[in-house]
Amino acid sequence: EAGVAQSPRYKIIEKRQSVAFWCNPISGHATLYWYQQILGQGPKLLIQFQNNGVVDDSQLPKDRFSAERLKGVDSTLKIQPAKLEDSAVYLCASSVGRMNTEAFFGQGTRLTVV
Amino acid sequence: AQRVTQPEKLLSVFKGAPVELKCNYSYSGSPELFWYVQYSRQRLQLLLRHISRESIKGFTADLNKGETSFHLKKPFAQEEDSAMYYCALLSKGYSTLTFGKGTMLLVSP
Repeated sequence: EAGVAQSPRYKIIEKRQSVAFWCNPISGHATLYWYQQILGQGPKLLIQFQNNGVVDDSQLPKDRFSAERLKGVDSTLKIQPAKLEDSAVYLCASSVGRMNTEAFFGQGTRLTVV
Repeated sequence: AQRVTQPEKLLSVFKGAPVELKCNYSYSGSPELFWYVQYSRQRLQLLLRHISRESIKGFTADLNKGETSFHLKKPFAQEEDSAMYYCALLSKGYSTLTFGKGTMLLVSP
């Protein structure tokens, strides 16, 4: 089966600019996650969708980050405006359901803010 | 709030030596725990989950609720085991997957 697709793979922007990342989960997967992974750290959950509804966005910096999952399939994550500390790999993952199911990860988008 | 702690950033062993990657967790409830692995230039992927009680690529992990640990073990390390290993905890409420900071395993010939 096709895996989780993310684009772009790499992005370099200046601070205060805006950026958007796109994720296409595995077909049929109801749960979609966005994680931020700063160099040397484990993935940190930003937001979790169940179909097109948000179930957890407690760690999303809502003053600058936003995400949507229209129609419960693809998702976009936006940062506006970006800060230097947003430099990280942004990982998208999806799973069939919520309980005890394997999460499948995309290759990530590496963001560098200069 | 749940927390996953992996105390070692780096574990370096020789081929054939036993390996134990430590993971401790903090969670009020019955946890579901996983080990994920990321090989060089590959995606993060599931290695094993505690409820399956399975051995994958020679690795096993036992949940010890008394010590709140879920250490990953392999009796004889191979060079191809070199990778980043992440312990993760699934919370029951929102089914949020929380990761530790990871341990880099380096297996030398």
